[in-house]
Amino acid sequence: DQQVKQNSPSLSVQEGRISILNCDYTNSMFDYFLWYKKYPAEGPTFLISISSIKDKNEDGRFTVFLNKSAKHLSLHIVPSQPGDSAVYFCAASGGGGSNYKLTFGKGTLLTVNP
Amino acid sequence: NAGVTQTPKFQVLKTGQSMTLQCAQDMNHNSMYWYRQDPGMGLRLIYYSASEGTTDKGEVPNGYNVSRLNKREFSLRLESAAPSQTSVYFCASSEPGRFSYEQYFGPGTRLTVT
Repeated sequence: DQQVKQNSPSLSVQEGRISILNCDYTNSMFDYFLWYKKYPAEGPTFLISISSIKDKNEDGRFTVFLNKSAKHLSLHIVPSQPGDSAVYFCAASGGGGSNYKLTFGKGTLLTVNP
Repeated sequence: NAGVTQTPKFQVLKTGQSMTLQCAQDMNHNSMYWYRQDPGMGLRLIYYSASEGTTDKGEVPNGYNVSRLNKREFSLRLESAAPSQTSVYFCASSEPGRFSYEQYFGPGTRLTVT
């Protein structure tokens, strides 16, 4: 069963507009959530994270929101730039007491059109 | 600082051949991981090593073995390659702490098994 779900395989937005990427999780033991960005032929790079004791974390153009009751998080990118075009993975940690492992979603391909 | 390095970058094997994927990190991290990425499947954990001297199975360990050679190096071995092991393999490392679960990834090895 998939514990971290990214239900939108792809998203296309115009440059300068907001990009919203969504992620749902099922394991209530998860207590830390991360977003990774991946360009083709490169490894994933860490983007932003949030712990379960917060509901929002902001870093420049990137903001992650966490709704624990809905088991839902989202990544907002404002304003979107063509260089943001990449696959974005949502990941979660802490399930079952193991803080070493991350469980990843399947990813969302973001395309930002000039 | 090279971060996480992986060799080789590309490899083609015939069914039944064996090979070892090498990974090294220079960040003095205790934990290291091997993932595979397949189209539409996200990143799936093969094996991980929470600390030097320990290894554990992840989500998809069948057909693989690992060795944590020292704190810096973590290798992944395919004893008898199968076409189902065609994938992109990523190594990662981390230093887990309270609310600090970020993993840092290498550039990947693209493996094709014919």
